[in-house]
Amino acid sequence: AQSVAQPEDQVNVAEGNPLTVKCTYSVSGNPYLFWYVQYPNRGLQFLLKYITGDNLVKGSYGFEAEFNKSQTSFHLKKPSALVSDSALYFCAVFPYGQNFVFGPGTRLSVLP
Amino acid sequence: EAGVTQSPTHLIKTRGQQATLRCSPISGHTSVYWYQQALGLGLQFLLWYDEGEERNRGNFPPRFSGRQFPNYSSELNVNALELEDSALYLCASSRVHEQFFGPGTRLTVL
Repeated sequence: AQSVAQPEDQVNVAEGNPLTVKCTYSVSGNPYLFWYVQYPNRGLQFLLKYITGDNLVKGSYGFEAEFNKSQTSFHLKKPSALVSDSALYFCAVFPYGQNFVFGPGTRLSVLP
Repeated sequence: EAGVTQSPTHLIKTRGQQATLRCSPISGHTSVYWYQQALGLGLQFLLWYDEGEERNRGNFPPRFSGRQFPNYSSELNVNALELEDSALYLCASSRVHEQFFGPGTRLTVL
């Protein structure tokens, strides 16, 4: 079965420090990979995607993600966290021709 | 380009009633997805419509149903509401391999 894991329910980081939000997946083929962010009582906003090419993908608000095919991982990173980055982050995969599969979400708290 | 819109923003119903939620996709998008996000939980896939047809549904009872209209807008109907149906319902429209989300409808069942 297709699945996406985000092993950490909660990630706490101090403002100015680097952050990592982890994602691993188990799907067939070569899926497209996504990160979305959700602020309280809002829909999901697109951050970045990996389709093919360079394993390091740059996205909105200074976020980037590294695709690792051998580890089937797509971790979200940011060199210097901001308090305003505090939100719920979702990793998603799109196996071609099938439904999107979302991870359970990771709550990021950036402490001032 | 206008984004995905959903109505109403909030909906309050009592147990046993029916709820109807609406979604208008981005112009040119033919696929619409519905998700349920209950408090503290991730996104649970509900339904996928494309070109007016139901393409797939998640693990939800038949009282969750919907349709897609010729203009690609979509409606989600929930019959015989139960307390645990209280959640944020998100709609997304899709072009090729990306999903764009609406702001959601907050359904509260009392």
